[in-house]
Amino acid sequence: EVQLVQSGTEVKKPGESLKISCKGSGYSFTTYWIGWVRQMPGKGLEWMGIIYPGDSDTKYSPSFQGQVTISADKSVNTAYLQWGSLKASDTAMYYCARGTNAWSPEGGFDYWGQGTLVTASS
Amino acid sequence: QPVLTQPPSSSASPGESARLTCTLPSDINVVTYNIYWYQQKPGSPPRYLLYYYSDSDKGQGSGVPSRFSGSKDASANTGILLISGLQSEDEADYYCMIWPSHASGVFGGGTKLTVL
Repeated sequence: EVQLVQSGTEVKKPGESLKISCKGSGYSFTTYWIGWVRQMPGKGLEWMGIIYPGDSDTKYSPSFQGQVTISADKSVNTAYLQWGSLKASDTAMYYCARGTNAWSPEGGFDYWGQGTLVTASS
Repeated sequence: QPVLTQPPSSSASPGESARLTCTLPSDINVVTYNIYWYQQKPGSPPRYLLYYYSDSDKGQGSGVPSRFSGSKDASANTGILLISGLQSEDEADYYCMIWPSHASGVFGGGTKLTVL
């Protein structure tokens, strides 16, 4: 069974750094791209970026390029999303999801993590 | 990034069909893209429903009933999610997504479907 399990709720202050995780199981982790999706409170889904754990090739939405860093550690089947300095506007639910197409980033997302709620507030 | 336009809301009665649309900007031809559709219920992550490129190239998500189907209206440059035999459990937000030629994906704004 394909599963993506994300790390727990985070409450941080603006300016702090943060790294959240997404652990994959039940499939070949290095074969499928893993993406990150933001959902701000009461709003829609936003495509942030995607990484290929096999070689860490990464693609970002222009809206998120330079704002976050996506990484992966294939030795522990885990992808990460990190911020160097959180803003209040980063408060949102963040989902990781597996790409539908093995080896190619150009597709949708077929399996989703449960989400990580990030709150940045002073 | 292109903007995918979805009506904010739609409604239909149980047993009827719901036709949800996703309109692409005029500089992107819907005929050349896979359209991906997702369902999201309150407090839950999105669920992958299906993708549609053409009648000969389409795919259903794992466990998704066949009453969820996709199509395109090329004249309106629109992707369509059709839900037949509506049930109360189909009440949710629905999002479309494409991968345009910008090396990243993009979601539509979502449609809230109410089953009356």
